[in-house]
Amino acid sequence: GEDVEQSLFLSVREGDSSVINCTYTDSSSTYLYWYKQEPGAGLQLLTYIFSNMDMKQDQRLTVLLNKKDKHLSLRIADTQTGDSAIYFCAESLSSNTGKLIFGQGTTLQVKP
Amino acid sequence: DTAVSQTPKYLVTQMGNDKSIKCEQNLGHDTMYWYKQDSKKFLKIMFSYNNKELIINETVPNRFSPKSPDKAHLNLHINSLELGDSAVYFCASSQLPYLQDRSYEQYFGPGTRLTVT
Repeated sequence: GEDVEQSLFLSVREGDSSVINCTYTDSSSTYLYWYKQEPGAGLQLLTYIFSNMDMKQDQRLTVLLNKKDKHLSLRIADTQTGDSAIYFCAESLSSNTGKLIFGQGTTLQVKP
Repeated sequence: DTAVSQTPKYLVTQMGNDKSIKCEQNLGHDTMYWYKQDSKKFLKIMFSYNNKELIINETVPNRFSPKSPDKAHLNLHINSLELGDSAVYFCASSQLPYLQDRSYEQYFGPGTRLTVT
């Protein structure tokens, strides 16, 4: 089936690392994405990883993929107050339709 | 320079009315989408059009009818609005066809907050 799960809330202190976790059920996922949504705004693509990769790093962001356990994580190093937002994990399936299945979003609260 | 734009940003209307939300993208993408985000922030795809043809049609009441006059526009018309239609509706676009080794990033509009009273 198609299901993506995330924890709903994470609170960290400024300067700490944040780790947001996601699990998915469909083994035919090809790409996995992390989107960020700031209050009152649309979704902004942060990064993505192809399903045959284990890790991808992009500046302060590190994505880890454990395909065996169907587990994806997003690590934000040196978290800043501007990182406070909702983070959505999403998977794309192998069908050629562009359909994304989103998790329910993790609200990241960064305390000064 | 807006990539994906939606109008209106806010829409307040009464039950039973018919309303439309418009979306335009200037990215030259082939594919456009409508998503619904409910009050718990859950985001679910509703429709997708590729080159003006419907390719995704999720389980959505037939009161919702998308229309794509050209590949840069995808409008959403909603008949007989109900309280449960209150949500934020996001338009998105991406490039297809999907290639095995290429990701097709979806670019989202700012959203239309629909409130049905």
